Amino acid sequence: AQKVTQAQTEISVVEKEDVTLDCVYETRDTTYYLFWYKQPPSGELVFLIRRNSFDEQNEISGRYSWNFQKSTSSFNFTITASQVVDSAVYFCALSPPGSARQLTFGSGTQLTVLP
Amino acid sequence: SAVISQKPSRDICQRGTSLTIQCQVDSQVTMMFWYRQQPGQSLTLIATANQGSEATYESGFVIDKFPISRPNLTFSTLTVSNMSPEDSSIYLCSGGGLAGSYNEQFFGPGTRLTVL
Repeated sequence: AQKVTQAQTEISVVEKEDVTLDCVYETRDTTYYLFWYKQPPSGELVFLIRRNSFDEQNEISGRYSWNFQKSTSSFNFTITASQVVDSAVYFCALSPPGSARQLTFGSGTQLTVLP
Repeated sequence: SAVISQKPSRDICQRGTSLTIQCQVDSQVTMMFWYRQQPGQSLTLIATANQGSEATYESGFVIDKFPISRPNLTFSTLTVSNMSPEDSSIYLCSGGGLAGSYNEQFFGPGTRLTVL
């Protein structure tokens, strides 16, 4: 069985602060995919990143960065110099190997960035 | 990437009635899924919509309550039958297995359902 845990239910930061969202996962698969999605108040899910389990290189995209640690089964997401528009619910998700398999989502972290 | 649209975007329904939600993808995708997001909760997979055959349901979801159709590679419907207030949720369709983006899943904007 697969499981994704996002222990932080809600986080509030002041604009320009850095913030890290934690994600811990469990799976018996030796290969798998990890995802982060953003859900703004409008409700639409916005894809942020997909990571293969065999690629442990950290990734940076603008103000976003992701730290994948296979040894601790974690895939944390950091927003640098946060902005009010970053306020949203962020979901971490896991899928088994294969093409476009179903996703198991974490419970989500509500991020509020205050001006 | 793929663009996914859903109709209706929202609806308010009476207890005991049924609602069919349509999902349209602008490209052919091998996989389509239906998820439910109850208020303030995460997304839970309802079923995998299989083209030309019966959907594959997750534990806790049954065909009589959530019949699904998928007549081709770009379209699927989910019906929420005999609704009760507990069915009030956002229902999201997703597609994946797009040529060139095999492992990505793209989501529709969701259908916000309120059952009175």
